[in-house]
Amino acid sequence: DGGITQSPKYLFRKEGQNVTLSCEQNLNHDAMYWYRQDPGQGLRLIYYSQIVNDFQKGDIAEGYSVSREKKESFPLTVTSAQKNPTAFYLCASSTRQGRQTDTQYFGPGTRLTVL
Amino acid sequence: RKEVEQDPGPFNVPEGATVAFNCTYSNSASQSFFWYRQDCRKEPKLLMSVYSSGNEDGRFTAQLNRASQYISLLIRDSKLSDSATYLCVVFTGGGNKLTFGTGTQLKVEL
Repeated sequence: DGGITQSPKYLFRKEGQNVTLSCEQNLNHDAMYWYRQDPGQGLRLIYYSQIVNDFQKGDIAEGYSVSREKKESFPLTVTSAQKNPTAFYLCASSTRQGRQTDTQYFGPGTRLTVL
Repeated sequence: RKEVEQDPGPFNVPEGATVAFNCTYSNSASQSFFWYRQDCRKEPKLLMSVYSSGNEDGRFTAQLNRASQYISLLIRDSKLSDSATYLCVVFTGGGNKLTFGTGTQLKVEL
């Protein structure tokens, strides 16, 4: 089955620790994205990557880091510098068609709670 | 002003009702528009794209009004399974970046 997987589904972490969220896709999509969702707010873009070995900051990149060494994988590290990391993290991917956006497909998400 | 604004609801409607949601966007250069559906504690899933001429998919109709900068979603003969949060999503230029509204919650009741 083609799709996007994220792991773990639930993650608890102590303050001051870095943690890495996994996102893998087998849809052969070029572009991948990380969003966070907080109650009462829309999804906000953290980082995105349109091609392997390249990525750009989104609207709220502070305290996060990413890598894109393989087309299929786009892990997100939530560092201790992120002030309010407790949130629902969603990974998405899409094909890349020039300037016009293509549909973004989302993974099931990871709920991160900082204790 | 937010880039994408939606009435958060909730809209509580009886089964079989017709319900309409509106969404306004601030950037007149916005190019593409979508409605996503998100169930509680789940990921968003694409419901439909919104085209300039308006489009219909079964019980769902989406329309775009560029002059007034809003898009709408109409759900006819609502089902219990339509209960979810409906996200208005707008694409405005480079990087395949989408802007999401905060969502409108729909509750369909017996």
